[in-house]
Amino acid sequence: QSALTQPPSASGSPGQSVTISCTGTSSDVAAYNYVSWYQQHPGKAPKLMIYEVSKRPSGVPDRFSGSKSGNTASLTVSGLQAEDEADYYCSSYAGSNTYVFGTGTKVTVL
Amino acid sequence: QVQLQESGPGLVKPSETLSLICAVSGYSISSGYQWGWIRQPPGKGLEWIGSIYHGGSTYYNASLKSRVTISEDTSKNQFSLKLNSVTAADTAVYYCARDRIQDSFDYWGQGILVTVSS
Repeated sequence: QSALTQPPSASGSPGQSVTISCTGTSSDVAAYNYVSWYQQHPGKAPKLMIYEVSKRPSGVPDRFSGSKSGNTASLTVSGLQAEDEADYYCSSYAGSNTYVFGTGTKVTVL
Repeated sequence: QVQLQESGPGLVKPSETLSLICAVSGYSISSGYQWGWIRQPPGKGLEWIGSIYHGGSTYYNASLKSRVTISEDTSKNQFSLKLNSVTAADTAVYYCARDRIQDSFDYWGQGILVTVSS
């Protein structure tokens, strides 16, 4: 059960969009529509931003969107705001009631 | 509002057992969902440790399975983590969270830093 692969960093100016990829395998990302994304600010607990590939929990701005193609999932943050600067982690269900997280991406708002 | 709170020793000696409790409020753990533990070594990423479903069914990360036990105490509405034979590599912030079952983790505790050191 290897970690899902994410780019270490991504950046964009306020108002722009940034997209983060999350690459897994045929046993996790490709096999299930249960990819989720978490936002983590320094010293804080992760916060669920996207579940089931593209669904947003109540209270999460619609600037956050998710998608999946094959073994790669993506999170797009549109209309970047200063408060979006954080670490982002993807996660996927991996069968047999197990999960795998991504390596994490630090998003910087320039 | 569902709230989770981790508690336990912040310092554990090598080779000993790490024991943490997660107290849940605002939702009965016997009403559904699974309840999980996730950890994060300093400066590193998240790692799922395992989850428990009401009634005692447990699911563990294969890499930790031989050392981990997760159990529940429905009378206190809490669940616990035991990790034995710890080493410095087990130093991390440990989070408890509500597991939406084969889906995602929607409510998280604030986390507790556990350092393994003599």
